[in-house]
Amino acid sequence: NAGVTQTPKFQVLKTGQSMTLQCAQDMNHEYMSWYRQDPGMGLRLIHYSVGAGITDQGEVPNGYNVSRSTTEDFPLRLLSAAPSQTSVYFCASREGTEAFFGQGTRLTVV
Amino acid sequence: DQQVKQNSPSLSVQEGRISILNCDYTNSMFDYFLWYKKYPAEGPTFLISISSIKDKNEDGRFTVFLNKSAKHLSLHIVPSQPGDSAVYFCAASAGGSTLGRLYFGRGTQLTVWP
Repeated sequence: NAGVTQTPKFQVLKTGQSMTLQCAQDMNHEYMSWYRQDPGMGLRLIHYSVGAGITDQGEVPNGYNVSRSTTEDFPLRLLSAAPSQTSVYFCASREGTEAFFGQGTRLTVV
Repeated sequence: DQQVKQNSPSLSVQEGRISILNCDYTNSMFDYFLWYKKYPAEGPTFLISISSIKDKNEDGRFTVFLNKSAKHLSLHIVPSQPGDSAVYFCAASAGGSTLGRLYFGRGTQLTVWP
C-alpha cells in the first residue's frame, strides 16, 4: 500500500515549457486534489476532483489543467511554465475526514 | 481572502512545556476542522480533527479546542518534544467531513528546544 505517489520529486523547467506532474493513489479514494505551497502562503488549492470524470477549479487554477480518467490517477499539467509557478506541489487524496498527501514535487521555472 | 488564519508564523517552546497553536476562521459554514503537521521535504500528515458539535478532542499529547462563538480553535501539545518541531497547518471544511473542500491556514512553524 503506497498511499499517494507523486513523480517527479524535483524538476527544473524553462519558461514556456510544458510538463505533467503525476499523482497516483492506491486507496480507492474518490476525492483528489492538487495544492501548491509557497513561503508564507500555506497550501493553496489548484484543482480538485470528486471522482473519475469530474474536476473543478480551486483558488489558483490559472496556468494548470487536470483530468481524471481513472480513480487512481490525477495528473496536473502546466501548459506553458512561468517563473510564478515555481513552488512545491502536493497531491492529496481523501475519503472521509482526512486527506493523505504525497511527498511533493519541487518545481523550479527559470 | 483567507478564510482560515494562523496569525503566528512561528512559535518557540522549551521541551516539556505546553505548545499552543492558534487558528481563526471567518466562514460560519465550516463544521469540521483539522490539524496537519509537516516536516521539511515531506507531505503534510494528519494529526487531529474536531467536529463542530464538539468543543474538545484529545489524542494522547494532542488536544484540539473549538470555540464556535469566537470562530477560534487551538491545538495544545503537552508535553512538547523536540520531534514535534514542524510546521502545523490548520484546515477547515464545510458541509460535513466527507468530500468538502479543505481550506488551509498559512501554517505555524513550531520549534521545541531542549
